[in-house]
Amino acid sequence: AQSVTQLGSHVSVSEGALVLLRCNYSSSVPPYLFWYVQYPNQGLQLLLKYTTGATLVKGINGFEAEFKKSETSFHLTKPSAHMSDAAEYFCAVRRNNAGGTSYGKLTFGQGTILTVHP
Amino acid sequence: DTEVTQTPKHLVMGMTNKKSLKCEQHMGHRAMYWYKQKAKKPPELMFVYSYEKLSINESVPSRFSPECPNSSLLNLHLHALQPEDSALYLCASSQIFVIPVPNSNQPQHFGDGTRLSIL
Repeated sequence: AQSVTQLGSHVSVSEGALVLLRCNYSSSVPPYLFWYVQYPNQGLQLLLKYTTGATLVKGINGFEAEFKKSETSFHLTKPSAHMSDAAEYFCAVRRNNAGGTSYGKLTFGQGTILTVHP
Repeated sequence: DTEVTQTPKHLVMGMTNKKSLKCEQHMGHRAMYWYKQKAKKPPELMFVYSYEKLSINESVPSRFSPECPNSSLLNLHLHALQPEDSALYLCASSQIFVIPVPNSNQPQHFGDGTRLSIL
């Protein structure tokens, strides 16, 4: 079964500091990995997705994620945190539906709440 | 602005009521999803429709009844719900490709959800 583990349910950083949110996955190859962000009282917004062959994936709002197959990790980083980055972040892996089609169940990690201090 | 529109944004209903949640997308996506999200928890899949047919039901109780009347619309009919069904209900949609196709890692696009409270 596919799963993701997010280390740290809460991460607190100062404005301007590095943001590092950790995600480890268990998945068949290739892993269909995503990072989503959820602001209060809103749905999920896609930050970035893993693309086969890439090791560093760039997303929106200055976020990027590094795919390390040997460590089964897909950690999310941002060089300099902004107050507007305060939200909950979910790592997710997709299990493709039978027949080799590109849709299916997303399994989410437990989420990491990012707090940014002035 | 989200490209997946859900209505209503908030819904309060009694346990004997019948109501429906609606979801609409105009991105040409042929896969549509319902997720349930309890407070401080990640979303959990309920149903998946592909080409307007139900393809995944994650053992959801029959008091939740999904319907996909056309490729742009997805409904969730509610009847005789329990207080523990209070949650944020999220709709999502995605493209369908046969793998392997370059860039076939198609993301799911989510609406802002309907916050449901059962009295």
